[in-house]
Amino acid sequence: DTAVSQTPKYLVTQMGNDKSIKCEQNLGHDTMYWYKQDSKKFLKIMFSYNNKELIINETVPNRFSPKSPDKAHLNLHINSLELGDSAVYFCASSQDGVVTDTQYFGPGTRLTVL
Amino acid sequence: AQSVTQLGSHVSVSEGALVLLRCNYSSSVPPYLFWYVQYPNQGLQLLLKYTSAATLVKGINGFEAEFKKSETSFHLTKPSAHMSDAAEYFCAVSEGGFGNEKLTFGTGTRLTIIP
Repeated sequence: DTAVSQTPKYLVTQMGNDKSIKCEQNLGHDTMYWYKQDSKKFLKIMFSYNNKELIINETVPNRFSPKSPDKAHLNLHINSLELGDSAVYFCASSQDGVVTDTQYFGPGTRLTVL
Repeated sequence: AQSVTQLGSHVSVSEGALVLLRCNYSSSVPPYLFWYVQYPNQGLQLLLKYTSAATLVKGINGFEAEFKKSETSFHLTKPSAHMSDAAEYFCAVSEGGFGNEKLTFGTGTRLTIIP
């Protein structure tokens, strides 16, 4: 049983389109995250949610809108896709969102914008 | 803000040799430090973490890391490399309060194992 799952695994789309990535965790965790990994493998946090409430928004363009319908789900919607949005997007979760928590990562969604 | 620096974007070792991946941190408060591993086309998996208990931390797959405050380092080691250790390794520092923890990652080190 996958702990943190993401769909789709691959996403290829044209510039200007709108797309969504879904994330689900079955660990019973309270906190979920979105990270972006660029072509040089650099990982940067985008958002975090704790109990469906937005906690961290790391100066991400407002074309990116996370939504958490419940504690187990955190989706990422991206409007007006740009070439620079091409990356691998990882969802993660942790128990309480405290500094000593382990974060559990999903398998990633590779987004390619043409 | 806290940060980590990984020295060496690529490290190659022979199978059976010692693995040493370097990580230095910058923090004005006692840091909480992590090592994660990413196998090709997969997500990240925790190897080990330092949370201010023992300075020598043992992790999975035979890896360990030692927190050295005097050197602001948290280097990852494994006595004998296996082919299966080939992967990307990330050092990270955690900061924040309850419910708003965030990980700041280093730039990663790609480990190649030579048969």
